Amino acid sequence: IAGITQAPTSQILAAGRRMTLRCTQDMRHNAMYWYRQDLGLGLRLIHYSNTAGTTGKGEVPDGYSVSRANTDDFPLTLASAVPSQTSVYFCASSSQAAGSYNEQFFGPGTRLTVL
Amino acid sequence: GQNIDQPTEMTATEGAIVQINCTYQTSGFNGLFWYQQHAGEAPTFLSYNVLDGLEEKGRFSSFLSRSKGYSYLLLKELQMKDSASYLCAVMDSNYQLIWGAGTKLIIKP
Repeated sequence: IAGITQAPTSQILAAGRRMTLRCTQDMRHNAMYWYRQDLGLGLRLIHYSNTAGTTGKGEVPDGYSVSRANTDDFPLTLASAVPSQTSVYFCASSSQAAGSYNEQFFGPGTRLTVL
Repeated sequence: GQNIDQPTEMTATEGAIVQINCTYQTSGFNGLFWYQQHAGEAPTFLSYNVLDGLEEKGRFSSFLSRSKGYSYLLLKELQMKDSASYLCAVMDSNYQLIWGAGTKLIIKP
């Protein structure tokens, strides 16, 4: 693994189904993030985690949940998918180390369609 | 509220120079980032400004004026591979990134 991986690459899901998007990083970054990207809108933060064991809500958290059991993994769960959750989902991480820019590194994304 | 504004789309010619502007209003400021995103791919980090002035990195430069809430990304000697969206993002007082919608840059031969 190099950087951040996400799975699946794409998924078509029936409304009402439960779905977990997976995200794994091997850079030992403290902070991890989930964004959704919709046409014409900027990236919007869903949930974040500043360190293993802690999570926080972003701008658009409703309908989503996350967990951070360890440093490397940050899964995003849609408990009961709705069509408005059709989007491209990006996972990102940053080191938050002293002296760094705190720039975020992004995974390749998951394209989710809810019908 | 928090707001990042940048043009939706710009067109430029191969070999030329283009400037992409970004204005922002955020609760707090801990730096401004520019990212590049090719169609269907993930955003990748280009530059970071936290102090006023110009940061140069090869063909790309980024400028910041905190008093004006303004930044620009300058791309020189444009190449076809520079066709992409350019995202402006500001780190707010909570150290979260607030993102603009992105500027789609089209390069013509």
